[in-house]
Amino acid sequence: SQTIHQWPATLVQPVGSPLSLECTVEGTSNPNLYWYRQAAGRGLQLLFYSVGIGQISSEVPQNLSASRPQDRQFILSSKKLLLSDSGFYLCAWSLRTDTQYFGPGTRLTVL
Amino acid sequence: GENVEQHPSTLSVQEGDSAVIKCTYSDSASNYFPWYKQELGKRPQLIIDIRSNVGEKKDQRIAVTLNKTAKHFSLHITETQPEDSAVYFCAASMARGSSGDKLTFGTGTRLAVRP
Repeated sequence: SQTIHQWPATLVQPVGSPLSLECTVEGTSNPNLYWYRQAAGRGLQLLFYSVGIGQISSEVPQNLSASRPQDRQFILSSKKLLLSDSGFYLCAWSLRTDTQYFGPGTRLTVL
Repeated sequence: GENVEQHPSTLSVQEGDSAVIKCTYSDSASNYFPWYKQELGKRPQLIIDIRSNVGEKKDQRIAVTLNKTAKHFSLHITETQPEDSAVYFCAASMARGSSGDKLTFGTGTRLAVRP
């Protein structure tokens, strides 16, 4: 069966520091991968999605970037964090059937 | 692009009563409509979904109905229990296979079930 991992689970970072969040999927090949952000008490905002290695589509222009160096690895990065980057970051995967399954998430606090 | 509106934003019901959450979508090409349940601090979990070739789908106490003509779909929870308390999100998608299946989410409904 498929499993999705995210790390770290929680992160506290100062404003202006860099960021790297990692997501990996096990038990499947060539999944579609997604990064979402959820502000406290709010809905899900799609940030990036990828249909294959090196293929990244950005949904919202901002100071974040994404990369997919391997088939089942998706990384979210920033060179300089803003206060507004705080939130719950969720990675998700799908297999061309629309159904998306979410990882456990990373809770980021920018101070 | 697709736009999904969800109502109500909060819902409080007595244990054992039914709860109904409604969503409308804008893109008539959308053909996949999942519902997710998110407990506090946890990831969203898929609870039921429906495709546009089906009008209704049921799984024990939960059901989803779809009206393609009116472009709206609803989640029905019967015999509510305290563990049903959570935030529920609807979503809509137009399957594009290798181009990426993007879900557009509603803004969520916070359901509280009173014991």
